[in-house]
Amino acid sequence: DGGITQSPKYLFRKEGQNVTLSCEQNLNHDAMYWYRQDPGQGLRLIYYSQIVNDFQKGDIAEGYSVSREKKESFPLTVTSAQKNPTAFYLCASSIQGAAGELFFGEGSRLTVL
Amino acid sequence: AQRVTQPEKLLSVFKGAPVELKCNYSYSGSPELFWYVQYSRQRLQLLLRHISRESIKGFTADLNKGETSFHLKKPFAQEEDSAMYYCALSTYHGSGNTGKLIFGQGTTLQVKP
Repeated sequence: DGGITQSPKYLFRKEGQNVTLSCEQNLNHDAMYWYRQDPGQGLRLIYYSQIVNDFQKGDIAEGYSVSREKKESFPLTVTSAQKNPTAFYLCASSIQGAAGELFFGEGSRLTVL
Repeated sequence: AQRVTQPEKLLSVFKGAPVELKCNYSYSGSPELFWYVQYSRQRLQLLLRHISRESIKGFTADLNKGETSFHLKKPFAQEEDSAMYYCALSTYHGSGNTGKLIFGQGTTLQVKP
């Protein structure tokens, strides 16, 4: 069954803790993305990667980090430096060159207690 | 600055009424525009893109470069059209499309029986 899998779906974290959200795809897509979804603000790009071992900051990268060691995996770490981490996080992927045609995961909801 | 604006947070219409979801963009280059939809408890998915000039589920959208708009229209709304709709802009960077998508704030469409 092809697609994008995000885990966990729900995550609770205490202030000061780092947390890593997983994103795996078996679509053989080169590009992967992380967005943050907040009510009234739409989707904002955190990081994206066009190819393995390379990634670029999006519009709101501060307090986040990523890695792209494998084509199918693009984990996102929410660090303690992120001032307002409680949000819904969406991972997506696309074929290189098919800009705009993103395939999304189901999302991960992070709540900081 | 690259920006997508959806002025309406909520659009409420009765079944059978026409629908127009507004989207305006700001971009100095050659844009590609998209509409994404998120139905309740489903993943965010691509609805249509301006390049293909297709009609999906009765929805159409025309890119108006003069007015920098890409409004989504449907002549007769159905209850199953109730969802969150996002307009998105893909930007070019010289050598090719980076696949970076900028989303608007989203509009919730509510179709009443």
